[in-house]
Amino acid sequence: SAVISQKPSRDICQRGTSLTIQCQVDSQVTMMFWYRQQPGQSLTLIATANQGSEATYESGFVIDKFPISRPNLTFSTLTVSNMSPEDSSIYLCSARQGAYTGELFFGEGSRLTVL
Amino acid sequence: LAKTTQPISMDSYEGQEVNITCSHNNIATNDYITWYQQFPSQGPRFIIQGYKTKVTNEVASLFIPADRKSSTLSLPRVSLSDTAVYYCLVGDSLTSGTYKYIFGTGTRLKVLA
Repeated sequence: SAVISQKPSRDICQRGTSLTIQCQVDSQVTMMFWYRQQPGQSLTLIATANQGSEATYESGFVIDKFPISRPNLTFSTLTVSNMSPEDSSIYLCSARQGAYTGELFFGEGSRLTVL
Repeated sequence: LAKTTQPISMDSYEGQEVNITCSHNNIATNDYITWYQQFPSQGPRFIIQGYKTKVTNEVASLFIPADRKSSTLSLPRVSLSDTAVYYCLVGDSLTSGTYKYIFGTGTRLKVLA
């Protein structure tokens, strides 16, 4: 199993600023992903965080807006840049030990409110 | 791109068995089917995973027919604490050869006393 810790758990931000969310896994994992969940909605995959290389972004998400780092097998960051109220959401980090199958573990999420 | 379709919501009473069916017509031959549970203000939590026929663990059973175009999550004797959103996931291959998981709309289960 894997335990995922995210920081911050919540924050209130001003329009135009940027915020970096940190994700720490207590064991080495093959795959790490970042999701966004708006209130009452399902989870939307933002990107796959690749260790030592650029993240793989889903349609509708770009690196300039959501830069992602993954320096090793246990840590990743997601930055939400130049925030607007539309970015208010819960951002979730997830990880899987296997490349193809296995349980996808989730952090508790980071709730961002942009004023 | 594998996609899943589930009922938007279901109601049940305590003590009943609940069956939630998910359609996944475009599932690949080596995809696993996985179900997650999510409570408000929490990250999703793994329930069960299967490839074919039937899988059972301490909390649920998963039934997958031979054509694998659907799957059914069965929750025996639900309680009020089972009120949550349930998601069915299948893998989606990345160009790197690994898999990502796309979440569908989920089924909002409400258990009534």
